[in-house]
Amino acid sequence: GENVEQHPSTLSVQEGDSAVIKCTYSDSASNYFPWYKQELGKRPQLIIDIRSNVGEKKDQRIAVTLNKTAKHFSLHITETQPEDSAVYFCAAQYMNYGGSQGNLIFGKGTKLSVKP
Amino acid sequence: EPEVTQTPSHQVTQMGQEVILRCVPISNHLYFYWYRQILGQKVEFLVSFYNNEISEKSEIFDDQFSVERPDGSNFTLKIRSTKLEDSAMYFCASGVDRLGFFGPGTRLTVL
Repeated sequence: GENVEQHPSTLSVQEGDSAVIKCTYSDSASNYFPWYKQELGKRPQLIIDIRSNVGEKKDQRIAVTLNKTAKHFSLHITETQPEDSAVYFCAAQYMNYGGSQGNLIFGKGTKLSVKP
Repeated sequence: EPEVTQTPSHQVTQMGQEVILRCVPISNHLYFYWYRQILGQKVEFLVSFYNNEISEKSEIFDDQFSVERPDGSNFTLKIRSTKLEDSAMYFCASGVDRLGFFGPGTRLTVL
């Protein structure tokens, strides 16, 4: 089955710096890669996702890149702010549009701390 | 904006008791999931449900667990005989073509 590795487990940056979180996946059939932000005691919130036919996607200060050959995908946060502090989870899934979906397998999470 | 809702927010039970966790997915969604998160750990897949049947389940989802969609709106997770290690946050989620919608979770504490 799918296995998702996520690094680093903790990341501390100064406000205004960039943060990069990296994930690898094992199942080449996976074609959907979302990223979730989870604040303490709250539900995971989808912040950005990328599908396997796209190499990069941006949404304001957040970007995600995907290298299908290497089975890597990364989250990039620029101009970090204290409110970006949270645990970030990557995930991978095989989506069969119009049919049953594979499991969404999560990485172990990265605790991002942004120091003012 | 529509949201996935879950009840109760916190459930405390004695070991060996049965619990039912309830979820109301977003109405036009087709895919339903249960995940759990032990405190401080990653989110773990339990089961997915599509077209009124289980489509996949993990090794965690053993015979003690069952899911139902008893009517057009509710989606329930039943744990038949709870164990201490079942203590966790249980998240329901739903989606159409992207899994973007998690419920707020039910914190289950087994004493």
